[in-house]
Amino acid sequence: DTGVSQDPRHKITKRGQNVTFRCDPISEHNRLYWYRQTLGQGPEFLTYFQNEAQLEKSRLLSDRFSAERPKGSFSTLEIQRTEQGDSAMYLCASSPGTGTGELFFGEGSRLTVL
Amino acid sequence: GNSVTQMEGPVTLSEEAFLTINCTYTATGYPSLFWYVQYPGEGLQLLLKATKADDKGSNKGFEATYRKETTSFHLEKGSVQVSDSAVYFCALGPNSGYSTLTFGKGTMLLVSP
Repeated sequence: DTGVSQDPRHKITKRGQNVTFRCDPISEHNRLYWYRQTLGQGPEFLTYFQNEAQLEKSRLLSDRFSAERPKGSFSTLEIQRTEQGDSAMYLCASSPGTGTGELFFGEGSRLTVL
Repeated sequence: GNSVTQMEGPVTLSEEAFLTINCTYTATGYPSLFWYVQYPGEGLQLLLKATKADDKGSNKGFEATYRKETTSFHLEKGSVQVSDSAVYFCALGPNSGYSTLTFGKGTMLLVSP
């Protein structure tokens, strides 16, 4: 059994560049979540998918952030025109359609914007 | 809105000491409560959970009781080990529907031999 996997684990980019992160959830999970974690803070919810439908995206930080899950399996999170304030750990989590709210997290993708 | 407040760390203990990490919450309705742990270099893992008032979650020697009257979910362990050194996050989420967990800021635990 593989857990949630994220790629890349670490991305260093220059301000103004676009970056994309990929998340592969646990295969039988139909719900997928993106969170952001900055130093000294807990994870902060960004967006949520049920299958391929993005059911909540109002918490994305700006219109430079977008996420997709085109076939209801893997998901991508794109940040356009990165800013230094975007430096953070981006976490992906998945969960089954039923249950008591437990999320299964990946190891995260760390973004450093120079 | 929902919020979670945890005691600030780091918490520094010697092996076999008793651990308490305080967590209080503000929420509408009747949320589920969770403790997640993040070991160095690893992702967040669920440690334990409780879904209704007076429930006690337990795992790996850790316990936490859902106290509705004090809106608390304090994490305890009777005898910590060096391998328990990690960051601990308290979180709450809805009992139904999708689960946008609200996390506290985390508490780092450092256990020395």
